[in-house]
Amino acid sequence: GQSLEQPSEVTAVEGAIVQINCTYQTSGFYGLSWYQQHDGGAPTFLSYNALDGLEETGRFSSFLSRSDSYGYLLLQELQMKDSASYFCARHYNQGGKLIFGQGTELSVKP
Amino acid sequence: DTGVSQNPRHKITKRGQNVTFRCDPISEHNRLYWYRQTLGQGPEFLTYFQNEAQLEKSRLLSDRFSAERPKGSFSTLEIQRTEQGDSAMYLCASSRDRGLETQYFGPGTRLLVL
Repeated sequence: GQSLEQPSEVTAVEGAIVQINCTYQTSGFYGLSWYQQHDGGAPTFLSYNALDGLEETGRFSSFLSRSDSYGYLLLQELQMKDSASYFCARHYNQGGKLIFGQGTELSVKP
Repeated sequence: DTGVSQNPRHKITKRGQNVTFRCDPISEHNRLYWYRQTLGQGPEFLTYFQNEAQLEKSRLLSDRFSAERPKGSFSTLEIQRTEQGDSAMYLCASSRDRGLETQYFGPGTRLLVL
């Protein structure tokens, strides 16, 4: 009852907008976070949603619908440096572990 | 705020040897987490501490793995009698202890078991 589903890869061009979807199973859900990870690097926190709606942080926004068990990460004005893996992660309980999806590899083309 | 640090960054060992990794969390963070990540997968939770207390340990974690945080600051993760399947990136993260707090990750220790 903990798994998350996200697409394995997405390709887009510089300057475009891309949406990475994430669906999750509902038991013990406390919130959804998004992380970026470049090859060989550490996961870097991007955004977090505990309640329904849109959270905006610069070029990145994240959306959550608890009734649909669904969230997405929106990346605007794509840059080459945005090529990385993006993970959604659910908070399983307050202050405890994160359960990660398998990640979406984003390739940004010129 | 110097971020989460981990040592060593890389470790190559032979099967059957013991290895120990260290994590230093962000100084004001009371919670410390260990995750393991293999190629093409998301990080997988191993265990976490609130101060010096180990509050949860994954059922997937073999008894060859042990973690400590004796003074509620740095933590160590030890793997005894390593196996080739233990080869992975071992990530440490820390967070404050007020409700749902962002977890900040260190650079990881990449382990290769030959």
